[in-house]
Amino acid sequence: QQQVKQSPQSLIVQKGGISIINCAYENTAFDYFPWYQQFPGKGPALLIAIRPDVSEKKEGRFTISFNKSAKQFSLHIMDSQPGDSATYFCAAKLSGAGSYQLTFGKGTKLSVIP
Amino acid sequence: GAGVSQSPSNKVTEKGKDVELRCDPISGHTALYWYRQRLGQGLEFLIYFQGNSAPDKSGLPSDRFSAERTGGSVSTLTIQRTQQEDSAVYLCASSFGSESSYEQYFGPGTRLTVT
Repeated sequence: QQQVKQSPQSLIVQKGGISIINCAYENTAFDYFPWYQQFPGKGPALLIAIRPDVSEKKEGRFTISFNKSAKQFSLHIMDSQPGDSATYFCAAKLSGAGSYQLTFGKGTKLSVIP
Repeated sequence: GAGVSQSPSNKVTEKGKDVELRCDPISGHTALYWYRQRLGQGLEFLIYFQGNSAPDKSGLPSDRFSAERTGGSVSTLTIQRTQQEDSAVYLCASSFGSESSYEQYFGPGTRLTVT
């Protein structure tokens, strides 16, 4: 019920290409969908987030696309750079007062090659 | 301002020993979370503190694991009688715990190795 399924597990993209990571969920009570970026030896950091009342959010080279009917959301990294090489986690938060816990996907290791 | 800090950064312990991991959240954050991250894996939720409410302990894998948060600030995760499968990075995060912001801010983690 509270799972968030993330794919692919790993991704190799050439510099300048588009990286796409997908997540799917079952519980329609999720109301907040963030993406976190983690570099080796560091804790995850918020990259971008979306709420289900919009279908797309863009911040610089990073875009979240959200499909409420399909219960899917994805992260697109345009013009991927070697510095984007990291592990990316999608997550979701249940609606409801006082509910701030996030359920994370298992992560995607992105490698951007020159 | 200061971020979430965790100590120690690395801990090597012998199987069967108890360990304590510490987390100092961002000042003013009422919510605090502990996660476990095994090598190459995702974030496994352990426990969640929100203000003065009873903690959500639903993610603790066994009764060897416990956590407390004193004075609504610093938290300690304790693992008793450590096992080799406890080897992982333990991450702490904090957030405002309000409708204004859901963002969780993570510390750098404590890498625990059980030999």
